[in-house]
Amino acid sequence: AQSVTQLGSHVSVSEGALVLLRCNYSSSVPPYLFWYVQYPNQGLQLLLKYTSAATLVKGINGFEAEFKKSETSFHLTKPSAHMSDAAEYFCAVSDLSAGTYKYIFGTGTRLKVLA
Amino acid sequence: DAMVIQNPRYQVTQFGKPVTLSCSQTLNHNVMYWYQQKSSQAPKLLFHYYDKDFNNEADTPDNFQSRRPNTSFCFLDIRSPGLGDAAMYLCATSRASGRVGELFFGEGSRLTVL
Repeated sequence: AQSVTQLGSHVSVSEGALVLLRCNYSSSVPPYLFWYVQYPNQGLQLLLKYTSAATLVKGINGFEAEFKKSETSFHLTKPSAHMSDAAEYFCAVSDLSAGTYKYIFGTGTRLKVLA
Repeated sequence: DAMVIQNPRYQVTQFGKPVTLSCSQTLNHNVMYWYQQKSSQAPKLLFHYYDKDFNNEADTPDNFQSRRPNTSFCFLDIRSPGLGDAAMYLCATSRASGRVGELFFGEGSRLTVL
């Protein structure tokens, strides 16, 4: 079974600093990987996805992630944090089962941005 | 705008009193999912529909049921809510195709059990 592991349940950065949120995956086949963001009391919104095309994936709000097969990683970065980036971030992998894709989520990383 | 709409956004019920949460979508997606998300945890898949085909996760309690009367609507029924069922319930959709698409989420229904 495929899975993702997010290191660090809480990350704090200063406004303007680099954001780095870590995700490692476990998969026996080439994975499809996703990053979602969740603001308080809202559903999840897709930031970006990797589907075996370019290894560097650009998403919304200035985020990007790099797929590294040798490290089984898909870390999320943003060069300069903004106060509005404070939210919970989930890494996810998709797994084909019974003809449909099921999405397995990591435990999430809560990002705090300090003024 | 096409979207996924969940009602109600907030639901308070008493221990053991049945609850129904609804989800509607205007995306015409084949697949609809129900996730349970407890505080500071990852969303946990309860079940999903591929068109009319129902797929239950092995560890989803019998207390949770679902109905999908048509493409646009899906319901989550909790027959006898316990205190441990207090959570955010998220509905999501995706288009079933040969390629992996993204999940489109509603804003969630937060259930409180008294």
